[in-house]
This record gives sequence, structure tokens and C-alpha cells, in this order.
Amino acid sequence: AQSVTQLDSQVPVFEEAPVELRCNYSSSVSVYLFWYVQYPNQGLQLLLKYLSGSTLVKGINGFEAEFNKSQTSFHLRKPSVHISDTAEYFCAVSTNTGNQFYFGTGTSLTVIP
Amino acid sequence: NAGVMQNPRHLVRRRGQEARLRCSPMKGHSHVYWYRQLPEEGLKFMVYLQKENIIDESGMPKERFSAEFPKEGPSILRIQQVVRGDSAAYFCASSPLGTAITEAFFGQGTRLTVV
Repeated sequence: AQSVTQLDSQVPVFEEAPVELRCNYSSSVSVYLFWYVQYPNQGLQLLLKYLSGSTLVKGINGFEAEFNKSQTSFHLRKPSVHISDTAEYFCAVSTNTGNQFYFGTGTSLTVIP
Repeated sequence: NAGVMQNPRHLVRRRGQEARLRCSPMKGHSHVYWYRQLPEEGLKFMVYLQKENIIDESGMPKERFSAEFPKEGPSILRIQQVVRGDSAAYFCASSPLGTAITEAFFGQGTRLTVV
């Protein structure tokens, strides 16, 4: 079975500061990795995904993530956050034999002016 | 190309009533997934359907919940005799692929409130 752990439930950060949102996963098979963002009362929007190839993945809105197989991690980073980045961020995994995404419990990012 | 459409966006039901949630996948997508998001939690898988078939319902509660994806029309998630614990956001996602989920698009969700 697969599982996803997002250790930080809330991350406050000042505007224009860098941020890292942590994600670790557990799986006995190869995985695909995703970060989604959810703005208040909205659906999930894909930020970026890792399927194969380069372990550094760049996404929308200036976000990037790095897949680290040895540490089973897929941390999300942004060098300079904006107020508009305030949202809930979900890490998720899927596999090439499964039928679903497995989501973490989410990290609430609050950007402070 | 319209995205995944869910309606209604908000639904209020009294305990014991039925709730029907609709999901129209993106054009060309024949795979639909339903997820439930309880307050302060991540999304939990409920069911995966293809046209006229339930492929995986391992996340569905055994009673009161059912889902369908008919040949014509939207996918429907049906909750009979709702209880307070059913209050949650229900999200639908669609994908052009089945297994090997590498791309799924989510709707804006239906927020069910049971009073």
C-alpha cells in the first residue's frame, strides 16, 4: 500500500521569503508524484508532477519540486512567495498498477504581508 | 474545452434525505474518480468508474453510498439517508487514462452540509 506524509500542517512565511513544503511517501512499487494546490472553496489545481526523468520538476507559479528516491521525498519549494500563494497544498502519489491517488493531509501555507 | 463540471456546488440536506452529486468529466475522458474531503483532512478515494462500469469501489462505505457512470450523461454519486457525518466536500476527477494515473483533472467539488 502507498501512503503520503506531510509533516507540516501549517506553514506561515513572510512575503518574498523562500518556502519549502515537505512531503514523504511510502510505497513498495514505483510511484508518480504530484503537488496540487487548493484555494479556499475551490477544487484542486495541479502545480507539478514527476513521472520519470529529471528529478527536478518545475511547475506553475514559480514552484518546483525535487524527487529524492533514497529519502522517499518530494519536497515543494518556491524561492519567493507572494500573498496569492496562500492556500492549501496537497502532495499525492499514484502507481502504474493502481486506480487512485493517495493524498497527504495537506499543508496550509499562509503568506504574511 | 470545459473542465470537469460538478453540480451543485453547495448542497444542504436534512438528516435522512438523499443527496445526488453530479460530475461531467472533461471531453474525451472516460475515467471518473470520486474523492471525499472531510474537514481538516486530505482527500480520500471513494470509487473509480468507467462508462457503465465500476472498476474499483474499495473506498466506498458499504451502506447508503452508490455511484454510477451511465453511457450517456454525467456520473452520479448518490448518498441515501444522509447523516451528519456525511458532511464533506466531494470531488470528482477525470482522466483520459485508467491505470497508471499520470494525469487527472479535478472539479471544484460539491460541498454537502447535512443539518
